Amino acid sequence: QVQLQESGPGPVKTSQTLSLTCTVSGASISSGYNWNWLRQHPGKGLEWIGYISNSGSTIYNPSLRSRVTISVDTSKNHFSLSLSSVTAADTAVYYCAGDNGASGVGSFDYWGQGTLVTVSS
Amino acid sequence: DFVMTQSPDSLAVSLGERATINCKSSQSVLYSSNNQNYLTWYQQKPGQPPKLLIYWASTRESGVPDRFSGSGSGTDFTLTISSLQAEDVAVYYCQQYYATPYTFGQGTKLEIK
Repeated sequence: QVQLQESGPGPVKTSQTLSLTCTVSGASISSGYNWNWLRQHPGKGLEWIGYISNSGSTIYNPSLRSRVTISVDTSKNHFSLSLSSVTAADTAVYYCAGDNGASGVGSFDYWGQGTLVTVSS
Repeated sequence: DFVMTQSPDSLAVSLGERATINCKSSQSVLYSSNNQNYLTWYQQKPGQPPKLLIYWASTRESGVPDRFSGSGSGTDFTLTISSLQAEDVAVYYCQQYYATPYTFGQGTKLEIK
């Protein structure tokens, strides 16, 4: 059973960089999955941020592309999100999700529990 | 971007009755080369991440009760719960994965009447 767990340093100040890590268990980070980040603003719907594929290629949401980097650390079996120049509008629950392609690339089979990131001055 | 619009925004249904949620895409999500609709449905309960219920518009994920069914093609889709149970109270989202950026509907909140 694939399990994902987000972790991060806690609150972030305006204009700084938000950094989160998603640790994967039950599967190798190098196996045939796409590893995604999504977010959900408080009381709102879901927004896809981007993914990194098992080959290391990345695709980002154009609305965030200039500020986002997703990377993989195979030695630690985790992948990471970096979002720069944050504002209060980036306050959200951030989820990592895995997509094994069995139900189609872009259909999220596995989700982390989510972590609330608050941006304040 | 594909704009996904769900209706209604909220829905109250009696236990044992049918619940129907609609999802409309601004563009077709039917991929002609494999005749699959790149449309999923998720269920999200308070304090939990979304859970995949249906993919390819009508294929139930393993372990999902058969009272949940998906239908539709192209731009118009429906999630039906045939006999509402108390544990089905949640927010339901549709999502297209035909093209990036993947996009979601705004969600439909399902409650017990």
